[in-house]
Amino acid sequence: AQRVTQPEKLLSVFKGAPVELKCNYSYSGSPELFWYVQYSRQRLQLLLRHISRESIKGFTADLNKGETSFHLKKPFAQEEDSAMYYCDGNFNKFYFGSGTKLNVKP
Amino acid sequence: KAGVTQTPRYLIKTRGQQVTLSCSPISGHRSVSWYQQTPGQGLQFLFEYFSETQRNKGNFPGRFSGRQFSNSRSEMNVSTLELGDSALYLCASSLMKGGEDTQYFGPGTRLTVL
Repeated sequence: AQRVTQPEKLLSVFKGAPVELKCNYSYSGSPELFWYVQYSRQRLQLLLRHISRESIKGFTADLNKGETSFHLKKPFAQEEDSAMYYCDGNFNKFYFGSGTKLNVKP
Repeated sequence: KAGVTQTPRYLIKTRGQQVTLSCSPISGHRSVSWYQQTPGQGLQFLFEYFSETQRNKGNFPGRFSGRQFSNSRSEMNVSTLELGDSALYLCASSLMKGGEDTQYFGPGTRLTVL
């Protein structure tokens, strides 16, 4: 079955620490994967997509087809990164993970 | 460009009633998707419309239905409301052309069923 899994509901790190939000997917074809972020009281918005291979706000994500993963990473977390992060896969229709709340402590 | 808009923003209904939510996509976007967001279940896909046709559907009962008009605006209807239907309903639009399928989300409609 096609699905996207985010194993961590909550991730707490200190400011300046590295952060990795995990995302695994299940799909036999070529996936299109995205990370969306939702800051407090704001709408869900695109953070990055795998095909553009860009870095947004210091975040990067690499598609690993062997491990079927698309983990989101940032070397030095900032307090303003605190938000809900959703991994999304487009497998002919959109599948969202359950989300990970990132809490960056001062 | 104006973003995705949803009306109403808040709605309170009682069990057994029906409700219609509206979504206006970004100008030029032809695909509209609907999601239900709850603290326990996260974001769950309801359905997607493209050029007035339902292209994909999630695992929700038939009480949940939708439609899309020729101007790409979309409505979602829930009949015979249940307490468990209380949620934030999000609409997202995308261009769906030339490989551009990034979704742009609206602010959501907060539905409370009493």
